[in-house]
Amino acid sequence: AQSVTQPDIHITVSEGASLELRCNYSYGATPYLFWYVQSPGQGLQLLLKYFSGDTLVQGIKGFEAEFKRSQSSFNLRKPSVHWSDAAEYFCAVARTGGGNKLTFGTGTQLKVEL
Amino acid sequence: EAGVAQSPRYKIIEKRQSVAFWCNPISGHATLYWYQQILGQGPKLLIQFQNNGVVDDSQLPKDRFSAERLKGVDSTLKIQPAKLEDSAVYLCASRPGPSGTYEQYFGPGTRLTVT
Repeated sequence: AQSVTQPDIHITVSEGASLELRCNYSYGATPYLFWYVQSPGQGLQLLLKYFSGDTLVQGIKGFEAEFKRSQSSFNLRKPSVHWSDAAEYFCAVARTGGGNKLTFGTGTQLKVEL
Repeated sequence: EAGVAQSPRYKIIEKRQSVAFWCNPISGHATLYWYQQILGQGPKLLIQFQNNGVVDDSQLPKDRFSAERLKGVDSTLKIQPAKLEDSAVYLCASRPGPSGTYEQYFGPGTRLTVT
């Protein structure tokens, strides 16, 4: 069965600083990988996704993520964080086939200091 | 394009009572999911529908949870009787089909508090 680990429960960065959120997955084949963001009281919004091809994926709101097969990682990055980026971020993996069932990590809560 | 709609947004009940949540997916989306998100955790899949058939309900506590999607559009998730540990946000998501590189679109969720 697939699994996702987000080792950082909370991260605090200053506005304008760079950001990297870590995600490691466990899956026997090449997975589908996703990053979602959840603001308080809101549903999940997709930031970006990786299915195949270029391992550096660009998403919305200036986010990007890099798939590294050798490290089983899919870390999320942003060069300059804005106060509005404060939210909870979830990494998720789906099997290639089989209904695209998503398995989520436990999330990373991002706080942005002004 | 309208997104995934869920109601109610909030619900407070006492343990042993019953509760139902409603989800209307994006028009034309054949695949519908219900997730449970306990505070401090990521969402966990409860059940997946393809049209009005169940594809995966392996993590649904069937002694108290039930779900249906009778006409392949709207879906209802029911809990009867509720337990304290059912306090969570229940998220509905939909996508065009079960395969391919489509993303899942999530609704705003229903926050359930069981007292």
